[in-house]
Amino acid sequence: NAGVTQTPKFRVLKTGQSMTLLCAQDMNHEYMYWYRQDPGMGLRLIHYSVGEGTTAKGEVPDGYNVSRLKKQNFLLGLESAAPSQTSVYFCASSTTGLAGILSYNEQFFGPGTRLTVL
Amino acid sequence: QKEVEQDPGPLSVPEGAIVSLNCTYSNSAFQYFMWYRQYSRKGPELLMYTYSSGNKEDGRFTAQVDKSSKYISLFIRDSQPSDSATYLCAMSRPGDSNYQLIWGAGTKLIIKP
Repeated sequence: NAGVTQTPKFRVLKTGQSMTLLCAQDMNHEYMYWYRQDPGMGLRLIHYSVGEGTTAKGEVPDGYNVSRLKKQNFLLGLESAAPSQTSVYFCASSTTGLAGILSYNEQFFGPGTRLTVL
Repeated sequence: QKEVEQDPGPLSVPEGAIVSLNCTYSNSAFQYFMWYRQYSRKGPELLMYTYSSGNKEDGRFTAQVDKSSKYISLFIRDSQPSDSATYLCAMSRPGDSNYQLIWGAGTKLIIKP
């Protein structure tokens, strides 16, 4: 199993350009997430999906759009990139997402996409 | 004030030392506490999970929760250079789903050979 994969690994954009980041998981997970990670800020949730065809906003959704047309794929789009969107983007997936006393449905992360917007 | 505070470091210690990594939090409703480890240029991976108070041990790693002080710790015994990574704490409340996790900023740990 490949787990969670992300495409591309690196990208440099100019301000105003658009791009799509692709996330794929082969674990049949219902939940998928897009995070951005910036120095000193930790992980911040951009958008998430609790199932095929459904998406919702996270903590920092402005400037991003997402789609989940297939259960295994979660796409993150930047319509008009800005320098403030320079970051490392991580996709993650998990099962239904509830924690219990003895177990926790961990999030499995992809390797990340390093995006620079000039 | 952030709900979860974590010193970003870096924390640099010699090989073999005992390492203590910590997070403080403000919401007393948190019951589930996680530690994720992130190697350089990789995604985070779950290291330890603790429910409510108490200690949990896994090999050289011990996770400790002090709910009265709103403080969680991760101890690493006999630290190795391979433990060099960023350690992120995360926590949630009963009934929360995974998308409601509150993350710390992460502490960068460097183990010097």
